[in-house]
Amino acid sequence: SAVISQKPSRDICQRGTSLTIQCQVDSQVTMMFWYRQQPGQSLTLIATANQGSEATYESGFVIDKFPISRPNLTFSTLTVSNMSPEDSSIYLCSATTGLPDTQYFGPGTRLTVL
Amino acid sequence: AQKVTQAQTEISVVEKEDVTLDCVYETRDTTYYLFWYKQPPSGELVFLIRRNSFDEQNEISGRYSWNFQKSTSSFNFTITASQVVDSAVYFCALTSNNAGNMLTFGGGTRLMVKP
Repeated sequence: SAVISQKPSRDICQRGTSLTIQCQVDSQVTMMFWYRQQPGQSLTLIATANQGSEATYESGFVIDKFPISRPNLTFSTLTVSNMSPEDSSIYLCSATTGLPDTQYFGPGTRLTVL
Repeated sequence: AQKVTQAQTEISVVEKEDVTLDCVYETRDTTYYLFWYKQPPSGELVFLIRRNSFDEQNEISGRYSWNFQKSTSSFNFTITASQVVDSAVYFCALTSNNAGNMLTFGGGTRLMVKP
C-alpha cells in the first residue's frame, strides 16, 4: 500500500488569497487524484493529476481556480486560487497504481477561508 | 453513470451492540470494484476493504464483516460488538476500468457508538 503525506495539514486563509497543497507518495504510482470534501458532505473529485501533462478536471471545476501540477510519479500540488469562504473544505489527494489496486488517501488538508 | 447510495445518514448505537451499514450501488459495467473507507474525526480516509465484482465471497476481519450480494447490488458492512473507537463516518465507494479508476462515493454514514 502507498503511504501519502500532505502539507499543510490545515490552514486559515484570507479571502482572495491562494494556497498550494502538496501531496507526496512514498512510491511511484500511476494515478493521482484530488478530492474536495465540504463540511458534512461526501467526497467530490476535482481532477485527475496527470504526470507530464495537464490535469483532467471534473464538471464544475476549472484550471484557473484549481491549478494542478504533477512533475513526477510521486508528487502533486493543488492550488486553490482567489479563495472565498465557500472554498472552506477538506482537500484530499489519493493515489493508485491502477485497478485492481486500491486507491489510498492522504490525511487531508483542512482549509478555512475567512 | 455509476451511483452509490448509503441510505443511513446517521446511526447511533450503544457500545457492544452489532450494527450494519448499508450500501447499494448501480453500474452498467460487468467488472467493478467496491470499497469501504472509514473517516474518523481527524479527517483522514482509512481503507478498510476492496471487493471485486467477480468474487462474491463474504469477508470477515476481526469484528468487521462484509456481505456482498450481486443479486441485490448491495455491499453491506457489519461491525460486531461495536466500540467507541468505531465512531466515524463510513463511506462506500465504487469504480471500474470504464470509469477511469475514479471512485464514486456514497453519501457516507455517520456512526456514533456511545459508552
